[in-house]
Amino acid sequence: SYELTQSPSVSVSPGQTASITCSGDKLGDKYVSWYQHKPGQSPVVVIYQDDKRPSGIPERFSGSNSGNTATLTISGTQAMDEADYYCQAWDSSSVVFGGGTKLTVL
Amino acid sequence: QVQLQESGPGLVKPPETLSLTCTVSGGSMSSYYWSWIRQPPGKGLEWIGDIYDSGSNKYNPSLKSRVTISLDTSKSQFSLKLNSVTAADTAVYYCARAPGRVRGVILNYYYMDVWGKGTTVTVSS
Repeated sequence: SYELTQSPSVSVSPGQTASITCSGDKLGDKYVSWYQHKPGQSPVVVIYQDDKRPSGIPERFSGSNSGNTATLTISGTQAMDEADYYCQAWDSSSVVFGGGTKLTVL
Repeated sequence: QVQLQESGPGLVKPPETLSLTCTVSGGSMSSYYWSWIRQPPGKGLEWIGDIYDSGSNKYNPSLKSRVTISLDTSKSQFSLKLNSVTAADTAVYYCARAPGRVRGVILNYYYMDVWGKGTTVTVSS
């Protein structure tokens, strides 16, 4: 079955840029979504179709996907962005989540 | 605004069947995939499966032998049944919606745009 790999944790200082990566075989051939998940809350989609931002999601969130790696970039990271982030891909038969990355804003 | 609400027992004995229902309010069930996702304590999100408005299903291969997802549009509900549960099935269970068509066009991408608040299910004797 298809697998997506994420680094367990990423740290960033407030105001700096955070990059969270997601890797999978020929991932660039699939569309990737990204979800922000804070403790005690439901996940929220922050990027879909590789680089589309849903309404209400701040412009500081952006996404890209090429080759075997998709990247979620948070520019000007704020304390409120501290959360777990999950990538997700889909083919016609299944939906797959990455293992998640804990973003710490120090 | 569409809202999803999970309901069902918070405690299930092994090896019984876990049964949850998700009620959809504020919108149509047409042209969407309706999914179940879970998160075991201290672990990441795991997709369980989904059902389209036509009634066709997809399941996580690792759970496929134990899972059934069904749809009742007359009640604006979809349901999850997971058989032969063990302690490893203890998790927060979420229901979610994923668009399948937009303005009649079948989407070639998949993302979950609306989620329920989640319900905790503990499997213990």
